[in-house]
Amino acid sequence: DAGITQSPRYKITETGRQVTLMCHQTWSHSYMFWYRQDLGHGLRLIYYSAAADITDKGEVPDGYVVSRSKTENFPLTLESATRSQTSVYFCASSDLAGGTDTQYFGPGTRLTVL
Amino acid sequence: RKEVEQDPGPFNVPEGATVAFNCTYSNSASQSFFWYRQDCRKEPKLLMSVYSSGNEDGRFTAQLNRASQYISLLIRDSKLSDSATYLCGWGDYKLSFGAGTTVTVRA
Repeated sequence: DAGITQSPRYKITETGRQVTLMCHQTWSHSYMFWYRQDLGHGLRLIYYSAAADITDKGEVPDGYVVSRSKTENFPLTLESATRSQTSVYFCASSDLAGGTDTQYFGPGTRLTVL
Repeated sequence: RKEVEQDPGPFNVPEGATVAFNCTYSNSASQSFFWYRQDCRKEPKLLMSVYSSGNEDGRFTAQLNRASQYISLLIRDSKLSDSATYLCGWGDYKLSFGAGTTVTVRA
């Protein structure tokens, strides 16, 4: 059971480039989330999705785009990467349709923007 | 005021000690609370859910105080393997998280 996976695990890119982080879950969970984690800030919600084709902004959405054409995938795109987007990105999912709001996290993507 | 506030620590305790810390929240309508454990910037992993008056799982006890709007985590008989950062989370379908409390258990 793969659970929730993220790719790439590590990424170095340059300012201005477009970068897409992938998230895939095998549980058919309805909700999926993207967080970034920076020292001193904890986890901050970027975007979330309640189901395929339903997405909404979180606390820090500027500079990011998401889509969810299939229940199992929730890619996050940085349209034009900036140094301030250097961070660790975590994807998570929860089975709210199944009656629990517990979130399960992927292993994370460490992104460095030079 | 941030929705969730957490004592960052660090708490440095000897093996076998008891350590406890809190997480305060500002929204009295909060329905669900969680404690997650995070090791060395790896992914957070669910430690305990706190839905009503409290939860106990082995050496870990989580409590919810709605009147004072905080949750707490108590670790008894600390082990070296308990060294980690503990994140509190609050919400319903989407969660807010504290910045984490770092616990270091020394031999």
